[in-house]
Amino acid sequence: DAEITQSPRHKITETGRQVTLACHQTWNHNNMFWYRQDLGHGLRLIHYSYGVQDTNKGEVSDGYSVSRSNTEDLPLTLESAASSQTSVYFCASSQTRQGVNNEQFFGPGTRLTVL
Amino acid sequence: EDQVTQSPEALRLQEGESSSLNCSYTVSGLRGLFWYRQDPGKGPEFLFTLYSAGEEKEKERLKATLTKKESFLHITAPKPEDSATYLCAVLGWRALTFGSGTRLQVQP
Repeated sequence: DAEITQSPRHKITETGRQVTLACHQTWNHNNMFWYRQDLGHGLRLIHYSYGVQDTNKGEVSDGYSVSRSNTEDLPLTLESAASSQTSVYFCASSQTRQGVNNEQFFGPGTRLTVL
Repeated sequence: EDQVTQSPEALRLQEGESSSLNCSYTVSGLRGLFWYRQDPGKGPEFLFTLYSAGEEKEKERLKATLTKKESFLHITAPKPEDSATYLCAVLGWRALTFGSGTRLQVQP
């Protein structure tokens, strides 16, 4: 069955370290997204991609970067981790067919703690 | 700026006690309104997409409706397994904007 996976599921790191969170989907979806979820803020968009070599900034992109070299993967990099980036991170993917924006499917999440 | 407000923040129901969750929104060019269910420690799970005012969709005990300013998620005769956080999101010209969710608890 097609799916979307994230790794690691839990990560503890120190302030100032570079961290990369992986996201892999097997639906062959064009669109991929990264969100963070914090109490009181709901899901907020970090970066998104509508295809290979395409990346766009979301609402809370400062301190994060992404690259899309193939259809299946969209890794999220924290260049220099900060305590404010402690959160649960979700990856999602979707397909646009005939101009209709279909629903996003979400991964299981990565819980990141920055000490 | 697109905005989504969900109410109430939390709702406690007895099994079988029907109720509705509200999602009010402002968006530049609505291209879809989405409802998701999220269980603790898991990613959101897709429930419904609504595209235009007057549209309704049903799935088991859930029914979603849409007007030009808000959407309702009606829960008929809920069961304890319906306990979860329900998220509403709108798709405008740019990207998906989520509300903070309604945390539903159904007691047996």
